[in-house]
Amino acid sequence: QVQLVESGGGVVQPGRSLRLSCAASGFTFSNYGMHWVRQAPGKGLEWVTIIYYDGSNKYYADSVKGRFTVSRDNSKNTLFLQMNSLRAEDTAVYYCATSLGGKGVFDIWGQGTMVIVSS
Amino acid sequence: DIQMTQSPSTLSASVGDRVTITCRASQNISSWLAWYQQKPGKAPKLLIYKASSLESGVASGFSGSGSGTQFTLTISSLQPDDLATYYCQQYNSYPWTFGQGTKVDIK
Repeated sequence: QVQLVESGGGVVQPGRSLRLSCAASGFTFSNYGMHWVRQAPGKGLEWVTIIYYDGSNKYYADSVKGRFTVSRDNSKNTLFLQMNSLRAEDTAVYYCATSLGGKGVFDIWGQGTMVIVSS
Repeated sequence: DIQMTQSPSTLSASVGDRVTITCRASQNISSWLAWYQQKPGKAPKLLIYKASSLESGVASGFSGSGSGTQFTLTISSLQPDDLATYYCQQYNSYPWTFGQGTKVDIK
């Protein structure tokens, strides 16, 4: 069945880096744009970034621009989020998500991976 | 960036009540609005897309309306399983943005 599984979360010190992964299965990964969305503890949802199906275009939230980089490996059905210069305010559950139904919104979500930025 | 403002922030209602949540966009987003339901510890679930289209498999008691800058999500008859936080989201332009959420409690 269709599935997105995030990994790579953990505890990291401020200023350090972390790379998240999202493994896709059950659909043709290379046909779909992929997003990262995050949610700080007890807070609302924040869209982070999108990468087009072929990696040709990427957009970022202002809060992460210049620090985070999204990429994908279509041969391995995997999405990545490289997070550099991490700050306490980056602490959140990070979800990967996509739109499989052609609606342009998030109809498929992963279960999320927790990132804690703390000294 | 387009700001999305939801009201109310919290809502307490009885089973069977009709519930309405409002979402306002800071600029015209046409009908590029989605609604999500999120239960504690879970990923969000898509309810409504393009302002008023019901996602497949979602209970018919949910409905959406509006266009431009004003939108509403209506639950026609609140059920215990509807206890959740609801978010609107615009996808008219990047960066996509969410409302701050409306937490629905059952009285």
